[in-house]
Amino acid sequence: AQTVTQSQPEMSVQEAETVTLSCTYDTSENNYYLFWYKQPPSRQMILVIRQEAYKQQNATENRFSVNFQKAAKSFSLKISDSQLGDTAMYFCAFMKNFGNEKLTFGTGTRLTIIP
Amino acid sequence: GAVVSQHPSWVICKSGTSVKIECRSLDFQATTMFWYRQFPKQSLMLMATSNEGSKATYEQGVEKDKFLINHASLTLSTLTVTSAHPEDSSFYICSALRLAGAYEQYFGPGTRLTVT
Repeated sequence: AQTVTQSQPEMSVQEAETVTLSCTYDTSENNYYLFWYKQPPSRQMILVIRQEAYKQQNATENRFSVNFQKAAKSFSLKISDSQLGDTAMYFCAFMKNFGNEKLTFGTGTRLTIIP
Repeated sequence: GAVVSQHPSWVICKSGTSVKIECRSLDFQATTMFWYRQFPKQSLMLMATSNEGSKATYEQGVEKDKFLINHASLTLSTLTVTSAHPEDSSFYICSALRLAGAYEQYFGPGTRLTVT
């Protein structure tokens, strides 16, 4: 079974600064997807970024980028130029490929952007 | 695109009654939908996987007779909480899997259930 660990329950950072959220996972699979989801106070889950395990290049989406280290089973999220709207819970998630699309979530990191 | 709706967004029911929650994919077909439960300040816990035209697959520890799931069409899955009790009060979230391009789940806005 897969496990996803987020070791930072809470983090805070000043507006405009950069912050990195950590995520590690454990799996015996070789092909899989990794995700970062954001859950703001509205509780709507929003996909922030996705990484396919077979891709060596780290995914980026505007101010959001990941550092994917497959051998170390590490998948951190970097938020640059943080904005007040980035305040939310962030969940790291794992999905096996081809035939089992269940998401396994980490426990989440509560991120607060300070004005 | 890729919008998932849930209805109702908030429901209060009395202990012992049943309540149905709908999950719809509005602009894509979803052969697979998922139901999650989230307690305050906690992560999402997968309850079951709903497959169109077949029986749902429940996660270990989830009572299938209490949480009835029906996936009658490619755009609709329903979760019925039967004989609800106060401990069933929670936030229920559905997601729909869109296979076009890549595996990705799109989430509904959630349903807050309060059992009195």
